[in-house]
Amino acid sequence: AQSVTQPDIHITVSEGASLELRCNYSYGATPYLFWYVQSPGQGLQLLLKYFSGDTLVQGIKGFEAEFKRSQSSFNLRKPSVHWSDAAEYFCAVGEEDSNYQLIWGAGTKLIIKP
Amino acid sequence: EAQVTQNPRYLITVTGKKLTVTCSQNMNHEYMSWYRQDPGLGLRQIYYSMNVEVTDKGDVPEGYKVSRKEKRNFPLILESPSPNQTSLYFCASRSQGPTEAFFGQGTRLTVV
Repeated sequence: AQSVTQPDIHITVSEGASLELRCNYSYGATPYLFWYVQSPGQGLQLLLKYFSGDTLVQGIKGFEAEFKRSQSSFNLRKPSVHWSDAAEYFCAVGEEDSNYQLIWGAGTKLIIKP
Repeated sequence: EAQVTQNPRYLITVTGKKLTVTCSQNMNHEYMSWYRQDPGLGLRQIYYSMNVEVTDKGDVPEGYKVSRKEKRNFPLILESPSPNQTSLYFCASRSQGPTEAFFGQGTRLTVV
């Protein structure tokens, strides 16, 4: 069955440190990959997406993600986090065969240490 | 401004009292869906609609109903709410195909 795994429930990083959030998926065909962010009390906002082409994609707020087909991964990175990045991050995957229905990871909560 | 609007944002109700959570989008999107979010479980899809008068069950449809009489609206109906439906609910919409989903602000429902 298709699935999306975010192995880290919580991650704590110091302000100014680099960040990597992991996302692994299991899909047969070429997936469509998304990262969303949910700030406290807010809805979900798209950070970035990968459909095809360059496997390193840039998003909003200084985030980037790299699609690695061989590892079935789409990890999210940021070189230097800010206190305002504290939020929950969700990876999602869609596939053409299922009308691009999104399958979601369980989310990773990012905590920023001052 | 392009947006998905859910109402109410917060709702406390009693077991068995029918309620409706409304969802409206102004982007002329064909596809709309409802999710519930529970700690550690991520987003689980309740129902979705590919277009007007076309709805289908998601992963957790039990206890919920939806309708899609107009393109812009996709209400979620709980005919007889139970405490296990206490959750954070999100409505989302998108165009057909591999496109970005836009989310409402969420509705925090508590059933006592």
